[in-house]
Amino acid sequence: GAVVSQHPSRVICKSGTSVKIECRSLDFQATTMFWYRQFPKKSLMLMATSNEGSKATYEQGVEKDKFLINHASLTLSTLTVTSAHPEDSSFYICSGSGADTQYFGPGTRLTVL
Amino acid sequence: KNEVEQSPQNLTAQEGEFITINCSYSVGISALHWLQQHPGGGIVSLFMLSSGKKKHGRLIATINIQEKHSSLHITASHPRDSAVYICAVRSGSNYQLIWGAGTKLIIKP
Repeated sequence: GAVVSQHPSRVICKSGTSVKIECRSLDFQATTMFWYRQFPKKSLMLMATSNEGSKATYEQGVEKDKFLINHASLTLSTLTVTSAHPEDSSFYICSGSGADTQYFGPGTRLTVL
Repeated sequence: KNEVEQSPQNLTAQEGEFITINCSYSVGISALHWLQQHPGGGIVSLFMLSSGKKKHGRLIATINIQEKHSSLHITASHPRDSAVYICAVRSGSNYQLIWGAGTKLIIKP
């Protein structure tokens, strides 16, 4: 079946630094990519939706200048958490969708010290 | 009442047992997902369904659109199947997903 990969799977960074998370669709073209965030024992919360080559659409309450999303190709989207703070520590999951399919990446655990 | 309800919330079973997890929803949907999340957080896409039945290894997912109900079955369960199983539906023409609360499954050896 189709696979979505994320890199890194786990990252620890210092407060104030920026972290980039990559999301790749490995055997299908993801015309739309989604980024989710999951707090402990909570459901996944949609942060933003991006279509290849277009600016991302952010959900209410998500700071677009803090969570930079780039969807430059049909197989790659990146999420950059800028000037990370401890409250940004969370589990970030991407999902790729294309032609009646949608698959989820395994997630990236971000810890900001 | 949540738009997506899963049952049971928690399930403990012995290795080898046949497992059924249920998902009921109250909205019109275009697709339903079953996901598996392990204790470390890693998520695995299991199935995406819009009708009928899908099978992958020991996992079977069914959906009844008229009854607004889906089931995930695990045959010959194994301790490595222990995880949280999440049902999510896509409603309408946008990509927003409505998430179930998850079912925590523990399979004892």
